[in-house]
Amino acid sequence: NAGVMQNPRHLVRRRGQEARLRCSPMKGHSHVYWYRQLPEEGLKFMVYLQKENIIDESGMPKERFSAEFPKEGPSILRIQQVVRGDSAAYFCASSPQGLGNQPQHFGDGTRLSIL
Amino acid sequence: RKEVEQDPGPFNVPEGATVAFNCTYSNSASQSFFWYRQDCRKEPKLLMSVYSSGNEDGRFTAQLNRASQYISLLIRDSKLSDSATYLCVAGGSQGNLIFGKGTKLSVKP
Repeated sequence: NAGVMQNPRHLVRRRGQEARLRCSPMKGHSHVYWYRQLPEEGLKFMVYLQKENIIDESGMPKERFSAEFPKEGPSILRIQQVVRGDSAAYFCASSPQGLGNQPQHFGDGTRLSIL
Repeated sequence: RKEVEQDPGPFNVPEGATVAFNCTYSNSASQSFFWYRQDCRKEPKLLMSVYSSGNEDGRFTAQLNRASQYISLLIRDSKLSDSATYLCVAGGSQGNLIFGKGTKLSVKP
């Protein structure tokens, strides 16, 4: 009865490196959402994906950030050339359908720290 | 104007107290609403969905007023374990969720 699985739980990178965050949705869920939570802030929507499709990326920064959800395997949030301001908790959520009236179930998150 | 606004608190209450949180949302097209709780920067966990008719789950009651674009959460007989940050959430137009910053509750013995 696995829930949303995210890894790694903690990730440390130096400025300029790449960060890859992984998310496997709950069994039976094909819709994945990524959110970012900066220190002392609320969660902010980044991107919504369905298998092999990006449905809404209106919350993604225009540069350095990308996301994918391939046919096989987990969803990946990739941050290139990380900067100090990328330090945050990144949460992934999933739902069985992409309808706004369904609650989403969250993973434990990845805490990204940039040195 | 923020899309979902909440009083950040903190609300410091004794065990057994009744406490109410309010939240307003700006997008009149939002169709779904939820309360989540978040403990110490852990993942948000769904507390309850919010319906126009109001709904109750044990000690928790949620209400939605669409005319005023206002959502509330009432916690009765509060327990120490209720200490957390309570997140008011509105469903976005594309299926994503729009979170408020949260209201911090601290229940004291």
